[in-house]
Amino acid sequence: DQQVKQNSPSLSVQEGRISILNCDYTNSMFDYFLWYKKYPAEGPTFLISISSIKDKNEDGRFTVFLNKSAKHLSLHIVPSQPGDSAVYFCAASAAGGGADGLTFGKGTHLIIQP
Amino acid sequence: KAGVTQTPRYLIKTRGQQVTLSCSPISGHRSVSWYQQTPGQGLQFLFEYFSETQRNKGNFPGRFSGRQFSNSRSEMNVSTLELGDSALYLCASSLPPSDRANTEAFFGQGTRLTVV
Repeated sequence: DQQVKQNSPSLSVQEGRISILNCDYTNSMFDYFLWYKKYPAEGPTFLISISSIKDKNEDGRFTVFLNKSAKHLSLHIVPSQPGDSAVYFCAASAAGGGADGLTFGKGTHLIIQP
Repeated sequence: KAGVTQTPRYLIKTRGQQVTLSCSPISGHRSVSWYQQTPGQGLQFLFEYFSETQRNKGNFPGRFSGRQFSNSRSEMNVSTLELGDSALYLCASSLPPSDRANTEAFFGQGTRLTVV
């Protein structure tokens, strides 16, 4: 049973527009959520995170929204740039976000069209 | 500050062989975790080590094992390799739980293992 789901395997967005990546989770024990970006042949790079005590966290062009009642989070990238083309993984943790036991979604491949 | 270093980057092995992968965490990070990434399953947690002790384990067979040394470096071993073990193996390090204030895990570039 997949505890973290990213239902869109791929997403295509025009450069300059907003990219919205979605993630749903089922485990109520998750208290920390992270987004990672991954290029081919490289390890995931941390992007942004949010604790379950917040509903929004912003860092430059990246904003993560958390809706605990719906067990849903989303990553907004605005404006989208060509370098944003990558696979984005949503991850959840019941241990404060450390390396131990992160549960990942299967990823969404974001393609930014010029 | 140097990042998480994994060696080797690429490896080709034959079915039935065993393999050892190495991971050096970020200086000061004592928690090291291993993940397997395959196209069909995404990133899956293998195990986590802290202070040379395995504290957490994912749902993988006993052929997958690991250890951590006193300098926090970690190794992962897979015995009796199967074709399905072909994957990108990622190591991540983070601060130990007592020092952690909702901090993130940092990943290495991974070791691409191909079993033929």
